[in-house]
Amino acid sequence: DGGITQSPKYLFRKEGQNVTLSCEQNLNHDAMYWYRQDPGQGLRLIYYSQIVNDFQKGDIAEGYSVSREKKESFPLTVTSAQKNPTAFYLCASRDRGRWSGANVLTFGAGSRLTVL
Amino acid sequence: AQTVTQSQPEMSVQEAETVTLSCTYDTSESDYYLFWYKQPPSRQMILVIRQEAYKQQNATENRFSVNFQKAAKSFSLKISDSQLGDAAMYFCARIYGGATNKLIFGTGTLLAVQP
Repeated sequence: DGGITQSPKYLFRKEGQNVTLSCEQNLNHDAMYWYRQDPGQGLRLIYYSQIVNDFQKGDIAEGYSVSREKKESFPLTVTSAQKNPTAFYLCASRDRGRWSGANVLTFGAGSRLTVL
Repeated sequence: AQTVTQSQPEMSVQEAETVTLSCTYDTSESDYYLFWYKQPPSRQMILVIRQEAYKQQNATENRFSVNFQKAAKSFSLKISDSQLGDAAMYFCARIYGGATNKLIFGTGTLLAVQP
């Protein structure tokens, strides 16, 4: 079945450490996104990528980095520069085609990061 | 700033009754997409319904329908014959940004369904 796989589901990090969250999709989607979810704040866009080897900052990119070396993969690194990284992280992808199902984001199951 | 506003942090409905969740948004574009997503306790985001702004007809998906008022920039979700499985956080969202097609979300409405 096609979908998005995020790993790990739960991750604990000590302050000062970088961690990388994995996001893999087999939907052949061009565009991929990373969102952060905090209680009472909905989802906020961290980074997005529309094609391989290209990505743009979202609304809250500080302290995060990404890469897009392959179409199916869009890993997110939470660096030590991110002051409050404890949150739920969601990866999503989108078909940019013109058919009726386009422009709909498909989400992974999410990763919960806790800083100890 | 591009914003999506959900003014109801929490709502409650009796099983089999109808409930309406409100959403307003800000935009200067004429063509865009609007969405309602559902997030149950599993935290998996599930698409409920989608509306294309150039279509005047309100979208419907089984028990879910929208009231899209383009001039008022309003996009409410009506859930008919509410079921216990409808209990979840509901997010309104809009694509913006032209070719970049970023999706921005409201802060969500937590819906409780009472048996």
